[in-house]
Amino acid sequence: NAGVTQTPKFQVLKTGQSMTLQCAQDMNHEYMSWYRQDPGMGLRLIHYSVGAGITDQGEVPNGYNVSRSTTEDFPLRLLSAAPSQTSVYFCASSYVGGLGLGQQFFGPGTRLTVL
Amino acid sequence: SQQGEEDPQALSIQEGENATMNCSYKTSINNLQWYRQNSGRGLVHLILIRSNEREKHSGRLRVTLDTSKKSSSLLITASRAADTASYFCAGANDYKLSFGAGTTVTVRA
Repeated sequence: NAGVTQTPKFQVLKTGQSMTLQCAQDMNHEYMSWYRQDPGMGLRLIHYSVGAGITDQGEVPNGYNVSRSTTEDFPLRLLSAAPSQTSVYFCASSYVGGLGLGQQFFGPGTRLTVL
Repeated sequence: SQQGEEDPQALSIQEGENATMNCSYKTSINNLQWYRQNSGRGLVHLILIRSNEREKHSGRLRVTLDTSKKSSSLLITASRAADTASYFCAGANDYKLSFGAGTTVTVRA
């Protein structure tokens, strides 16, 4: 199993450009999520999905869109990139059990710089 | 706002010593999870403790949870150089996992 994969690993954008960060998992997890990590901080939740066709906002959703058309894929779209979106982005997936979210499996991250 | 806050922010210990870090969280949780992150890498899950559990062990790791104080601790015994990393706690509430800012642990040879 490849686990959680993310592409690209690195990306440089100019202010105002749009792009999509890709995330895929092969573990048949119903739950997928996107986080951003800024220097000296923990991860902040951007959006999450509990299954195909179901998405919801996290802590910092502004400027980002998501969709989930399949169980495997959960792309994150930056609509009009801003320097404040310079960060490292992590995708994660997990099962959801009766006692809440299970352990998260993280991708390797995408390092995004917006000039 | 972030759910968990770790203390201390940074910790430097000698190989073979124990490392203890604490986490406080703000709202009710279903479970609390601990993760490790090596520099520039993705997070790796270490241990999950449910809200109805008080203590859990996994290898050299021991986690405690006190829901009345909204706090948890992670103990790493007999530390090794490979334990050098950042450690994060994360509170799970419904479908959201909220992370603290982390504790950076340096293990000196």
